[in-house]
Amino acid sequence: DQQVKQNSPSLSVQEGRISILNCDYTNSMFDYFLWYKKYPAEGPTFLISISSIKDKNEDGRFTVFLNKSAKHLSLHIVPSQPGDSAVYFCAASRGYGGATNKLIFGTGTLLAVQP
Amino acid sequence: NAGVTQTPKFQVLKTGQSMTLQCAQDMNHNSMYWYRQDPGMGLRLIYYSASEGTTDKGEVPNGYNVSRLNKREFSLRLESAAPSQTSVYFCASSEPETYGYTFGSGTRLTVV
Repeated sequence: DQQVKQNSPSLSVQEGRISILNCDYTNSMFDYFLWYKKYPAEGPTFLISISSIKDKNEDGRFTVFLNKSAKHLSLHIVPSQPGDSAVYFCAASRGYGGATNKLIFGTGTLLAVQP
Repeated sequence: NAGVTQTPKFQVLKTGQSMTLQCAQDMNHNSMYWYRQDPGMGLRLIYYSASEGTTDKGEVPNGYNVSRLNKREFSLRLESAAPSQTSVYFCASSEPETYGYTFGSGTRLTVV
């Protein structure tokens, strides 16, 4: 039973355009959401997060939107750059990912930014 | 600035063999985790350790055991490897006050 779902296995966009990655969750107890970025042969690295008390969080070119009623979040990358090409994982937690609040990950979306 | 270090980076096992994956972190984090990554399945939690001396099962613990040796080290053991355990294994650590986990670079395990 996948509690965090990323329904698009892959996404291709042109350099300079917007990339939108989507994530859905089923557990209404989740109150903290994160995006991780993963390059081949490396571990995932933290990108951006959002608490359930907010509906938007912005960090440079990256913005995460949260729609609690729809149990949906999205990551916007504007403008997209070739270096953004990676697998992006959505993750959810009850809290700040501490020991008793485990991160549940989605299946990942492979983003390819074409020059 | 090592962060989380995993050894080995690659391993090939025969079915039925045993091995231990090692993980060490130098960030003084209390919590440590083992995940596996499989195509189409994302990252799934195997075991975690809230603090030194405690361990708990995650989503997919069957076939694995763990040991939290001290605050720095958290090992994952496969007692009798099976082809279904072919995967990339990631160790991570965290503190509740920080955003998310710090991951190691992974161990690619193939069981033939």
